[in-house]
Amino acid sequence: AQTVTQSQPEMSVQEAETVTLSCTYDTSESDYYLFWYKQPPSRQMILVIRQEAYKQQNATENRFSVNFQKAAKSFSLKISDSQLGDAAMYFCAYRASMEYGNKLVFGAGTILRVKS
Amino acid sequence: DTGVSQDPRHKITKRGQNVTFRCDPISEHNRLYWYRQTLGQGPEFLTYFQNEAQLEKSRLLSDRFSAERPKGSFSTLEIQRTEQGDSAMYLCASSFSWDRGNEQFFGPGTRLTVL
Repeated sequence: AQTVTQSQPEMSVQEAETVTLSCTYDTSESDYYLFWYKQPPSRQMILVIRQEAYKQQNATENRFSVNFQKAAKSFSLKISDSQLGDAAMYFCAYRASMEYGNKLVFGAGTILRVKS
Repeated sequence: DTGVSQDPRHKITKRGQNVTFRCDPISEHNRLYWYRQTLGQGPEFLTYFQNEAQLEKSRLLSDRFSAERPKGSFSTLEIQRTEQGDSAMYLCASSFSWDRGNEQFFGPGTRLTVL
């Protein structure tokens, strides 16, 4: 079974600084997707960034970028120029290719605090 | 389109009672998912539908849980004879099946407290 591990229960960053959230996963599949979701307090979860396993290029979305290391099964999220609105719980998630089902497997999450 | 909606947002019930939650997906989406999230943990998959067909169920979905999606539109999740261990946030998500990236859009969740 696939598993996702987020080893940092909580992280803090100063406003305007850069922070990296870690994620490792375990799978025997070769075709899959990895996601980072953001869950603000009492608000719904939204997708931050997505990475397709067959693409070597790391995904970027404005201030958010990933470092995808397929051989190491590592998928970290870098947030540049951190803003107060980035404070939230961040979940790393895995999804196998469509032929093998569609459920997301989530890590336990990392709480990100942003200091002004 | 207002996104995925869930009702109620909060539910408090006594042990042994039955509860039912509703999820309205994004109208064009043909896939609908249910997840459960306990405090301090990531969501865990419960079940999903493609149109009206329930295609996969997690072993977390005991016999006391039943989900339906009549006519492939909204979905309901019913928990019979609730137990204190059922206390959690129940999340609904929807997506297109033909989107290879299959981005799932989440609702705000229903927080269940079983006393």
